[in-house]
Amino acid sequence: SQQGEEDPQALSIQEGENATMNCSYKTSINNLQWYRQNSGRGLVHLILIRSNEREKHSGRLRVTLDTSKKSSSLLITASRAADTASYFCAPHNNNDMRFGAGTRLTVKP
Amino acid sequence: ETGVTQSPTHLIKTRGQQVTLRCSSQSGHNTVSWYQQALGQGPQFIFQYYREEENGRGNFPPRFSGLQFPNYSSELNVNALELDDSALYLCASSWTANTEAFFGQGTRLTVV
Repeated sequence: SQQGEEDPQALSIQEGENATMNCSYKTSINNLQWYRQNSGRGLVHLILIRSNEREKHSGRLRVTLDTSKKSSSLLITASRAADTASYFCAPHNNNDMRFGAGTRLTVKP
Repeated sequence: ETGVTQSPTHLIKTRGQQVTLRCSSQSGHNTVSWYQQALGQGPQFIFQYYREEENGRGNFPPRFSGLQFPNYSSELNVNALELDDSALYLCASSWTANTEAFFGQGTRLTVV
């Protein structure tokens, strides 16, 4: 399945700390995307990394991709209380994205 | 603000009824996908439309159907509603199937 599986399921840190979330998948991909969801609302696109890329940055976000291990990680540096949300990875191949259950990140002020 | 709008925002229906949810895609996007998200779960792929044709379908029964119109807006229809259909329904549009998707805020459907 191309569905992403995020790890850990939940993560609680203090403001200012870094947060790392991992994603694994099982099939070949064109790209992998990360999304954030605040409680009960729509998903917000964070970053897209293509299968021929190994690392990508966007502000405080750093994403890595290891296609040989079929895994990706999302690092949020210097976290803020506003980063509290659920984070989903979406391995993408051809027609659709399939999300896992996500990582629930709580950043305590 | 993604430019993707969904209506209605909330809806209560009775088991056995039918419901139509609507999505207006971001301007220029010709691909739309629908997802069902139960409480505490990740979004589950229902189907995708590209230029008015179904372009992929998840593991949902035929009573879940859809349409995409020439202006690329879209509908999700669910017949014979069941209690388990209670969920947040999300619409996402994109330039193509392989680019970033922009999500609407969702329709919260409650089946009683």
